[in-house]
Amino acid sequence: GNSVTQMEGPVTLSEEAFLTINCTYTATGYPSLFWYVQYPGEGLQLLLKATKADDKGSNKGFEATYRKETTSFHLEKGSVQVSDSAVYFCALSNDGRPGGTSYGKLTFGQGTILTVHP
Amino acid sequence: NAGVTQTPKFQVLKTGQSMTLQCAQDMNHEYMSWYRQDPGMGLRLIHYSVGAGITDQGEVPNGYNVSRSTTEDFPLRLLSAAPSQTSVYFCASTRHTSGSNTEAFFGQGTRLTVV
Repeated sequence: GNSVTQMEGPVTLSEEAFLTINCTYTATGYPSLFWYVQYPGEGLQLLLKATKADDKGSNKGFEATYRKETTSFHLEKGSVQVSDSAVYFCALSNDGRPGGTSYGKLTFGQGTILTVHP
Repeated sequence: NAGVTQTPKFQVLKTGQSMTLQCAQDMNHEYMSWYRQDPGMGLRLIHYSVGAGITDQGEVPNGYNVSRSTTEDFPLRLLSAAPSQTSVYFCASTRHTSGSNTEAFFGQGTRLTVV
C-alpha cells in the first residue's frame, strides 16, 4: 500500500534560517506528491505539488523536487519567517496507472511542527 | 468564496451520544472525504464519496456513517460516540480529473471531545 514518512519534529529555527523537512514515500505506479500547511486553528492548505518525476513545486519561497529514484519530496526554504510557523504535511495521491483518472485519495505523513523564533 | 464549510467548529459529547458533523462545498466537486487528525498520526481517511449516491470506506471507518444525497453535502454521523473518537475532523473536496493532477480543499475542522 501507500505510505508517507516525514522527519520527526518538532523543528525549531531562528528567523532567516534554512529549512529542510524530509519526506519519503512508498507507492506503486505514478503518484502525485503534495505539501500541505496547517496554520494554528485552521484547516489544511495546499502549499505546493508535483505530478511527475523531476518536477519542482514551488510557492511562497518553499520548494520541493519529486525524486523518483530516491522516492523523496523534501521541502526546503532558504530563509524562514516567523509567519511560517505551522504544521507541514507531506502527502501523496496515487491512481495506480499513468495518465489514469484520480479519485483524490490522499495518504498523509504524520506532520512536522515548525516553530520559527524572531 | 465559501469553499468547504464545516459545522460545528467545536463539540463536546458524552459517551454513547450520537451527532452529525456537517460538510458543504460550493465548488461542484465530485469527490469528498472525511479525515480525522490525531497527534503523531497525520490525517487518516474515514469515508469518501466519488459522487452523489456513492460512498465507500477509508482506512478507519468503524463507528462512523456517511451519506451523499447531493453533490454539495457530505455529513459524517457518529452513531454512539466513544472517547477514542476524540479528534479533529476535516472534510475535504477534490476535483475529479484525468491524469494525476488533483487538489484537495479542506474545511477548517471540527474539534470533537468525547467524555
